[in-house]
Amino acid sequence: EAGVAQSPRYKIIEKRQSVAFWCNPISGHATLYWYQQILGQGPKLLIQFQNNGVVDDSQLPKDRFSAERLKGVDSTLKIQPAKLEDSAVYLCASSLKGEYQETQYFGPGTRLLVL
Amino acid sequence: SQKIEQNSEALNIQEGKTATLTCNYTNYSPAYLQWYRQDPGRGPVFLLLIRENEKEKRKERLKVTFDTTLKQSLFHITASQPADSATYLCALGRYQKVTFGTGTKLQVIP
Repeated sequence: EAGVAQSPRYKIIEKRQSVAFWCNPISGHATLYWYQQILGQGPKLLIQFQNNGVVDDSQLPKDRFSAERLKGVDSTLKIQPAKLEDSAVYLCASSLKGEYQETQYFGPGTRLLVL
Repeated sequence: SQKIEQNSEALNIQEGKTATLTCNYTNYSPAYLQWYRQDPGRGPVFLLLIRENEKEKRKERLKVTFDTTLKQSLFHITASQPADSATYLCALGRYQKVTFGTGTKLQVIP
């Protein structure tokens, strides 16, 4: 079974530029999560999708971050414009139904450096 | 606000010994707790889940305890091996929402 795929793996941009990350979840998984992990910290949930609807985006900085999950499969996370403090690893995860106590499967992450 | 604390300093232990990692929390009543392993440059990998009505869970060399009175979970790796070296994250869950701790880096010395 293929795991969660993410691209690119690394990205370096100047502040105020825009950037986009892509995620392909495990086939058949209805729930998709985007996390931000700053060095030395645990993952922080940015947004959770159930199929193509948003379940939780309470911690998403909506003035600069946006995400979509067209057709309930792949997802894209965008930052525009980027700030220095956005330097982090962006992790995508998926789970089968998004139900209580369900295991999340993580991708390898995209490491973003904003200069 | 809710707070999840894991040892911020790395834990170094000798191969063959038992490693014990701690996860403490405040201002939260999780219904379940998960432990994940994260290697450098990779995403977290699920290891174990324990529910609020369970005291202990085991899987091979891993053991997790959950004390809702102390608001603490302990994660044990027995007969530790250098391959167990990684960062271990606890994650507290209620309903569908999971909140991660900062993780503890474990180094097993041959």
